[in-house]
Amino acid sequence: NAGVTQTPKFQVLKTGQSMTLQCAQDMNHEYMSWYRQDPGMGLRLIHYSVGAGITDQGEVPNGYNVSRSTTEDFPLRLLSAAPSQTSVYFCASSYGRQRTAKSSYNEQFFGPGTRLTVL
Amino acid sequence: GQNIDQPTEMTATEGAIVQINCTYQTSGFNGLFWYQQHAGEAPTFLSYNVLDGLEEKGRFSSFLSRSKGYSYLLLKELQMKDSASYLCAVQVSGSARQLTFGSGTQLTVLP
Repeated sequence: NAGVTQTPKFQVLKTGQSMTLQCAQDMNHEYMSWYRQDPGMGLRLIHYSVGAGITDQGEVPNGYNVSRSTTEDFPLRLLSAAPSQTSVYFCASSYGRQRTAKSSYNEQFFGPGTRLTVL
Repeated sequence: GQNIDQPTEMTATEGAIVQINCTYQTSGFNGLFWYQQHAGEAPTFLSYNVLDGLEEKGRFSSFLSRSKGYSYLLLKELQMKDSASYLCAVQVSGSARQLTFGSGTQLTVLP
């Protein structure tokens, strides 16, 4: 299994450009999510999905769109990049429901991240 | 809203024991996770607590007290490779698996 994969690993954009960050998982996980990580602020949830065709907003959704047409893929779209979106973006996946109280099946698996700079 | 607090930085010596604390105030609780993150890498899962008490896994242990909104991660026999950021994250009950993360504790292990 490849686990959670993300592309690209690095990206530089100019203000106003749009782009899509790709995320895929091969573990048949129902739940997928996108986080951004900024210095001193930890990981913040952007959008998440509990299954194909279902998405919802997290803590910081403005300026981002997502879709979930398949179980495997969960792309994140930046509509019009701004310098405030310079960050490291992580995609994560997990099973959609709690298995047991003591099982590590509840963990979220993270992709390697995309480092985005907006000039 | 959710509030998760953990120390920003800690320093310890190789071979020693270190305890990283995490306190949380959330609207509901469905489990607490600890993740390790080395610089420039993705977070990796360390432990999960949903019931009160201690979970042990090799050199790492995690403790939870739901009544106090408190957890700690205990690292024994510290090694240089344990230098990393340690993230405390809470899953709120009723949520669709979302995690709320603390800002992380940067641990530096000195020789």
